[in-house]
Amino acid sequence: EPEVTQTPSHQVTQMGQEVILRCVPISNHLYFYWYRQILGQKVEFLVSFYNNEISEKSEIFDDQFSVERPDGSNFTLKIRSTKLEDSAMYFCASSPDYSGGFNQPQHFGDGTRLSIL
Amino acid sequence: GIQVEQSPPDLILQEGANSTLRCNFSDSVNNLQWFHQNPWGQLINLFYIPSGTKQNGRLSATTVATERYSLLYISSSQTTDSGVYFCAVERGTGGFKTIFGAGTRLFVKA
Repeated sequence: EPEVTQTPSHQVTQMGQEVILRCVPISNHLYFYWYRQILGQKVEFLVSFYNNEISEKSEIFDDQFSVERPDGSNFTLKIRSTKLEDSAMYFCASSPDYSGGFNQPQHFGDGTRLSIL
Repeated sequence: GIQVEQSPPDLILQEGANSTLRCNFSDSVNNLQWFHQNPWGQLINLFYIPSGTKQNGRLSATTVATERYSLLYISSSQTTDSGVYFCAVERGTGGFKTIFGAGTRLFVKA
């Protein structure tokens, strides 16, 4: 079964540095998402992406964050000038086009654990 | 925005026991999924169930969209069922904000 793959599995970065988290969504999916989960807390929506533009973003997704689909297969999350509180697990997800008036299930990658020192 | 509440927050079961987890949501939704987060942090998709009832082995789920709740049933629980169970809902059609509940932390004792 096709999977969403995320790299790296663990990223350690110095505070203030830029980091890029990478995701390869399932190939025929059209909607792409990024989420974060601070240790011990719930999963929080960051941004959704469709047709090469942001569909919706949360209040967390400020100017520090950006997303890109650079080559038709990868989907990246860039975090500029990282802060200690950016330490979290970041999940990428993708879903196919909606059908019959309902969205289709989102498929999640295994996540990238980001540690800011 | 949509509020998602899960109950109970914590649950301890003896192996072999049955349980019901509940997810209430405050507005109509176009997508509802149940996930199991295992001890390694992976989010395992259990059910995609915006309405109706589905079963998969020892697990089943029911969503009553008109009353804005969903239930996840775990029968004959096993130690490997331990982890956190999340309900997530998405409003709108395609690429909308997805809201996760705070989860139910389940521990199954041998």
